[in-house]
Amino acid sequence: DAKTTQPPSMDCAEGRAANLPCNHSTISGNEYVYWYRQIHSQGPQYIIHGLKNNETNEMASLIITEDRKSSTLILPHATLRDTAVYYCIVKRVDNNDMRFGAGTRLTVKP
Amino acid sequence: DTAVSQTPKYLVTQMGNDKSIKCEQNLGHDTMYWYKQDSKKFLKIMFSYNNKELIINETVPNRFSPKSPDKAHLNLHINSLELGDSAVYFCASSSWDSGNTIYFGEGSWLTVV
Repeated sequence: DAKTTQPPSMDCAEGRAANLPCNHSTISGNEYVYWYRQIHSQGPQYIIHGLKNNETNEMASLIITEDRKSSTLILPHATLRDTAVYYCIVKRVDNNDMRFGAGTRLTVKP
Repeated sequence: DTAVSQTPKYLVTQMGNDKSIKCEQNLGHDTMYWYKQDSKKFLKIMFSYNNKELIINETVPNRFSPKSPDKAHLNLHINSLELGDSAVYFCASSSWDSGNTIYFGEGSWLTVV
């Protein structure tokens, strides 16, 4: 599966949109982009995933570039509770092997 | 109801002991996993079972043995515990029907003293 590159840390002001980037330049045509987050001391939490179209759910929006080599997770109105490590992962939907990198530590500040 | 539940949540034990961590999922998933997160916070897959059959087995000491009595359970047995086994162990599950999105439990904090 393709590797991903994320900034190690980011800050965001409470109430503002948090935009978390992810590069996956070697992504294959049948690989999806998944986003998870891990709030301190809790289990990783699924956020969203997509193949090539932009996706939105109650938690976030996922914007995937047309060439699929990068994506951005958007938390539209970040709250203090969104402070967490965010992981971007690419894998085939039929592959059970999900590998986590170092992720981006997002700190939402008052 | 908790979708993926693990017990115990906290476990402190002495070196050399044998311990087990239990995991149950009520999502009807057919694949279950064990992940380990060490003090450096890297989350690494250890094992994966699909319909009670082992499909992923990373380079893990053979002191670690997963056991899946049925599709809803995947227990982790650890023999002859060592200090380096101290970590948070996460159980997870997924299903082809749900796009193989993996759902995690809350973790079991193991401390070996």
